[in-house]
Amino acid sequence: AQSVSQHNHHVILSEAASLELGCNYSYGGTVNLFWYVQYPGQHLQLLLKYFSGDPLVKGIKGFEAEFIKSKFSFNLRKPSVQWSDTAEYFCAVNRPGGFKTIFGAGTRLFVKA
Amino acid sequence: DVKVTQSSRYLVKRTGEKVFLECVQDMDHENMFWYRQDPGLGLRLIYFSYDVKMKEKGDIPEGYSVSREKKERFSLILESASTNQTSMYLCASRSTSGWETQYFGPGTRLLVL
Repeated sequence: AQSVSQHNHHVILSEAASLELGCNYSYGGTVNLFWYVQYPGQHLQLLLKYFSGDPLVKGIKGFEAEFIKSKFSFNLRKPSVQWSDTAEYFCAVNRPGGFKTIFGAGTRLFVKA
Repeated sequence: DVKVTQSSRYLVKRTGEKVFLECVQDMDHENMFWYRQDPGLGLRLIYFSYDVKMKEKGDIPEGYSVSREKKERFSLILESASTNQTSMYLCASRSTSGWETQYFGPGTRLLVL
């Protein structure tokens, strides 16, 4: 069955530290990849997405992610986190034209001021 | 601006009660989804609808049903609530053009006693 695995359930960082959240998926073939973020008390919202083309994609608030097809990975990165990045981050994958999106279990990030 | 609203932010119900969760989107999207979000499990798809009066089971449909009589409204029904249905319920909508981003509502936190 298709699945998405996020490597860390909880991450604690100090402000200005670098962030990398791991995501691996088990789909074969062509995929669309997403990172969603849920800030405390807010809606789940799109952070960035990859459909095709340049495997390094940039999203909002200085986040980026790299699609490595050979590793079935789509890791999220940010060079310097801020306190306001405290949130839960979800990796997700679907097939182009497909209805179902599979979400990872989520990673809770806490950034210490 | 894109908007998905859900009828309640918090609900407390008793075991055996019939529960209705309503979701409305104002974006004229064809596709609508109901997920439940549980700690450590991420988002799991309960049901989705690809058009008015059309519905498909997701990954965990047992104990739930849905209704989509109008394009903008998608209802989730718990026929007889049970304690294991205590969860956060998220509604989302998506356009079929490009099969892109899902837009999420604020969620309904349901407690079944």
